[in-house]
Amino acid sequence: DAGVIQSPRHEVTEMGQEVTLRCKPISGHDYLFWYRQTMMRGLELLIYFNNNVPIDDSGMPEDRFSAKMPNASFSTLKIQPSEPRDSAVYFCASSLNPGADTQYFGPGTRLTVL
Amino acid sequence: AQKVTQAQTEISVVEKEDVTLDCVYETRDTTYYLFWYKQPPSGELVFLIRRNSFDEQNEISGRYSWNFQKSTSSFNFTITASQVVDSAVYFCALSVMDSSYKLIFGSGTRLLVRP
Repeated sequence: DAGVIQSPRHEVTEMGQEVTLRCKPISGHDYLFWYRQTMMRGLELLIYFNNNVPIDDSGMPEDRFSAKMPNASFSTLKIQPSEPRDSAVYFCASSLNPGADTQYFGPGTRLTVL
Repeated sequence: AQKVTQAQTEISVVEKEDVTLDCVYETRDTTYYLFWYKQPPSGELVFLIRRNSFDEQNEISGRYSWNFQKSTSSFNFTITASQVVDSAVYFCALSVMDSSYKLIFGSGTRLLVRP
């Protein structure tokens, strides 16, 4: 299996621009998670989906962030407008059943907002 | 509330030394899972082990071993005969049903293995 795929791997943008991060989960995994890693807050969950439906978005920092999962093999995390404090590494993870299975992480997208 | 504490921010050892990374967790749930992930300098998160709350058996995988003790709420990780390639940040994580099984990470321990 190819594992969780994320794109782009690096993104540099200017404040105010829209940013879209993409994720392809492992085939057959019903759960998809978006995490953010920063020096100040460490690794934290933003949102997760089960069977393409958002279940818990309590970690999404504010309305500038939105996430979608139009089908079982694709998800996006969008920031509009972006701000310098959004600079972080964004990880996507997928799992068969997080209660009894492991979450496998993608390589991450390093976002820099200037 | 759930919490994971990795009190060791950074550890430096010389190659071939044994090293133990500490992890202490807090939860009121009786069913939970504990994990260790490795984050090498390249940045990805690599899964190492998952342990459920009903299985207190220690586990060994090559040079890696894990000690799970519910009495002290600890899930410590030992690397025997460390190697330079073990240099990375290691994260301990907890997931519980009441939190929708999201991973709650500790702050990580940076391990530097010097030649």
